[in-house]
Amino acid sequence: GAVVSQHPSRVICKSGTSVKIECRSLDFQATTMFWYRQFPKQSLMLMATSNEGSKATYEQGVEKDKFLINHASLTLSTLTVTSAHPEDSSFYICSARKDVYSNQPQHFGDGTRLSIL
Amino acid sequence: GNSVTQMEGPVTLSEEAFLTINCTYTATGYPSLFWYVQYPGEGLQLLLKATKADDKGSNKGFEATYRKETTSFHLEKGSVQVSDSAVYFCALSDPTSGTYKYIFGTGTRLKVLA
Repeated sequence: GAVVSQHPSRVICKSGTSVKIECRSLDFQATTMFWYRQFPKQSLMLMATSNEGSKATYEQGVEKDKFLINHASLTLSTLTVTSAHPEDSSFYICSARKDVYSNQPQHFGDGTRLSIL
Repeated sequence: GNSVTQMEGPVTLSEEAFLTINCTYTATGYPSLFWYVQYPGEGLQLLLKATKADDKGSNKGFEATYRKETTSFHLEKGSVQVSDSAVYFCALSDPTSGTYKYIFGTGTRLKVLA
C-alpha cells in the first residue's frame, strides 16, 4: 500500500522559533500533497494544497507567510511554521496523492504534534 | 456547497455488537466517498472507498455502499472488536474544487468494551 512518512512525530520548542515538518511519500510519486491541522477532538482543517514544482494554494484564513510550504520534489513536501507561538500548537497532518486532478484516495502521514512553550 | 454530515459520537458498543455509523453528503458532480480511521495520536488510515453510485467498499469486515438516491455512505460492521476503538471519518472528494480536495465529516468516536 501507499506509505507516507511524516517527521518529526513530536516537537516541543520555545516561542519565536521556526519549525520544519517533512512529509515524504515512500513508495509512490506524489504530485499533490495536502497539509491539515487538527484541534483536539475535532476534524481535520485543510490548510493548503501543494503541487510539485508550483506554489501552494492556501485555504482562506491561513497565513501563507506564517506557514511556508515547499513541494520541491515528487516525494517530499515541507511545512515550516515560522516564528511559532503557543497558539500554533496543534497536530499537523500531511497527505499525499499520486495525481493532481483525481478523485483517488489521499494517503496520510502519522502526524506531528507541535507544542510551543 | 458540498458537505458531509456524520453522526455524533461517541458510540459505545460491546464486543461482537453490530456497528453502524451514519454519513450523508451533499455534492454537485460525482464525488468519490471514503471512510478513514484514526487511532489515538496517529494520522488517518484509509479504511474503504467507493467511486460511483452503488459501489460497495469493504475492508477488514467493514463495508459501506455509495447510495446516490439517499446521498448516504453509512459504515457498517457485523461484529466489532475492542481493537476497532478509534475515530472514524467520512470524507468526499470535491470534484468542483479542481484539486478534488477532501471535505470531512466531524468524525465519530467509537469505543468497544470487552
